[in-house]
Amino acid sequence: AAGVIQSPRHLIKEKRETATLKCYPIPRHDTVYWYQQGPGQDPQFLISFYEKMQSDKGSIPDRFSAQQFSDYHSELNMSSLELGDSALYFCASRPTRRDRAGDEQFFGPGTRLTVL
Amino acid sequence: GDSVTQMEGPVTLSEEAFLTINCTYTATGYPSLFWYVQYPGEGLQLLLKATKADDKGSNKGFEATYRKETTSFHLEKGSVQVSDSAVYFCALTNGGSQGNLIFGKGTKLSVKP
Repeated sequence: AAGVIQSPRHLIKEKRETATLKCYPIPRHDTVYWYQQGPGQDPQFLISFYEKMQSDKGSIPDRFSAQQFSDYHSELNMSSLELGDSALYFCASRPTRRDRAGDEQFFGPGTRLTVL
Repeated sequence: GDSVTQMEGPVTLSEEAFLTINCTYTATGYPSLFWYVQYPGEGLQLLLKATKADDKGSNKGFEATYRKETTSFHLEKGSVQVSDSAVYFCALTNGGSQGNLIFGKGTKLSVKP
């Protein structure tokens, strides 16, 4: 079965650089979520999109922005990177509401961002 | 706001021991409850879920029952295996808030042969 695809899987950047993380949801999933997991921490919700519109916002810094495109893939853009941005970034997708049974989110493998 | 509290680890057990990881929650409305598992170096996988009070979620020998009266969703397994070694996260989502997940801090389980 198709799963959530994230790219790249690993990314190394210098401080003050920019990074773009990509997420391709499971086909027929119209809702995408982004989470950040610091070392040894629980995942923290950043932002979500439903039908290409931002639907909810969590603890996303102003330096970050995100969008969902017409093919439902999403990109997380991170600027002026700081050491503290080093983390695992997960994308999750959720089925279209008419197909939804429960509130299950399906997670991608994550992008590990290291800021030096 | 909504929150999840789970027992801190690490938890170390011998193979075939009984496992309980406690999880309690605070939420407005009627949240759905989940247990996710994260194996070393991997992403999050849904282990089980329950969407309403008294529901029991089960998978791979793990079980958890949604207890509204005690606001709990404790994870149990009767006989753990070495391959169960992972970090376990209890989480909730309240559909009224667009469904983002709120996680507990995670409990690291190590099972020794």
